[in-house]
Amino acid sequence: DTGVSQNPRHKITKRGQNVTFRCDPISEHNRLYWYRQTLGQGPEFLTYFQNEAQLEKSRLLSDRFSAERPKGSFSTLEIQRTEQGDSAMYLCASSLENSYEQYFGPGTRLTVT
Amino acid sequence: AQKITQTQPGMFVQEKEAVTLDCTYDTSDQSYGLFWYKQPSSGEMIFLIYQGSYDEQNATEGRYSLNFQKARKSANLVISASQLGDSAMYFCAMREGQGGSEKLVFGKGTKLTVNP
Repeated sequence: DTGVSQNPRHKITKRGQNVTFRCDPISEHNRLYWYRQTLGQGPEFLTYFQNEAQLEKSRLLSDRFSAERPKGSFSTLEIQRTEQGDSAMYLCASSLENSYEQYFGPGTRLTVT
Repeated sequence: AQKITQTQPGMFVQEKEAVTLDCTYDTSDQSYGLFWYKQPSSGEMIFLIYQGSYDEQNATEGRYSLNFQKARKSANLVISASQLGDSAMYFCAMREGQGGSEKLVFGKGTKLTVNP
């Protein structure tokens, strides 16, 4: 088991461009979470999936953000028309249903110029 | 309203000494869970320890222990015999509600520096 992986690790983009991040959870984990962490803050919840169903979305997830987990395995997080305020570390985590421990990936650091 | 409060932006400790990182929480749920995560400069969040609200004993994991005081709504992390590799950001987090893992709410973190 290689743990949670995220790609890319770093992304620099110009304001207004679209970006997509990928998260591969631990293979048997059916829950997948996305968090955003800005400088000097703790991670903030964005959304989570149980299998392919998106069960909860934060108010932080504006209509420019969309997340999918089409086959209940990997997930993608897309940000359209990026803004400088989107610059942050985007963290993915996975867990088994009814398990309290969430395993985090290394994150994707987004810089919007 | 802030649900997790970590009042220490930074802490310093000498190698081999013990250190306590403070965390207070706010919830009206009877069932909840409290977590501590370590985030080194590489960025990955590393799970350290968990305490369920109904657990009667304080959680321990190796050099980490959680000092859970339910009436005071505090869940302080104690690291014994600090090592240089313990230097990192430490985040307290809470899961509310019944059942398994749902979203976590994190505090702002405490930066721990272990001095040789």
